[in-house]
Amino acid sequence: ETGVTQTPRHLVMGMTNKKSLKCEQHLGHNAMYWYKQSAKKPLELMFVYSLEERVENNSVPSRFSPECPNSSHLFLHLHTLQPEDSALYLCASSQDLTDRADTQYFGPGTRLTVL
Amino acid sequence: KQEVTQIPAALSVPEGENLVLNCSFTDSAIYNLQWFRQDPGKGLTSLLLIQSSQREQTSGRLNASLDKSSGRSTLYIAASQPGDSATYLCAASGSARQLTFGSGTQLTVLP
Repeated sequence: ETGVTQTPRHLVMGMTNKKSLKCEQHLGHNAMYWYKQSAKKPLELMFVYSLEERVENNSVPSRFSPECPNSSHLFLHLHTLQPEDSALYLCASSQDLTDRADTQYFGPGTRLTVL
Repeated sequence: KQEVTQIPAALSVPEGENLVLNCSFTDSAIYNLQWFRQDPGKGLTSLLLIQSSQREQTSGRLNASLDKSSGRSTLYIAASQPGDSATYLCAASGSARQLTFGSGTQLTVLP
């Protein structure tokens, strides 16, 4: 048990659908992250939140919309996705952004397939 | 922009062998270097974190080293076991407080 949960674990959606991914951390951390892991490519950081404020947005298309209502929950809202958006989406959390000795704890991921 | 490279991409060894996984990074201005393990279809598990001021960290059969000047880190696994089979990822944390990941080394330990 990593302390970070993600739902759903698997999701298949059409290009016109709207869906949301949910992440919850039970570790009392202040920072949360969304990553995308595509086949044969390194993990790509998508969004970073610290104390519910977005601090990084790495040129992610607007069809991905994050939401952080509190420090324990993070959502990724999806709409009008493309087949190339199919990937494993990983959520992570860490105590803070500033601690150099701080590691990130990852959830199990949501396997997304866009038809 | 930081780039992280891992060699080899895949490695297969017999059980009991000692092995080394390599990681290189282009920007030596890092906060720390982390090694993770990923099992198929699952998230990442943190193995070791080496702060920029440190040279190595050990946990059980795992030892990770860091040489900032040469932009290299290694993960040494002693007496490998089939349960060690997984993909091993290294990630460098820079001033932007972001982790830049390598593509990973897929390790298979044969019984």
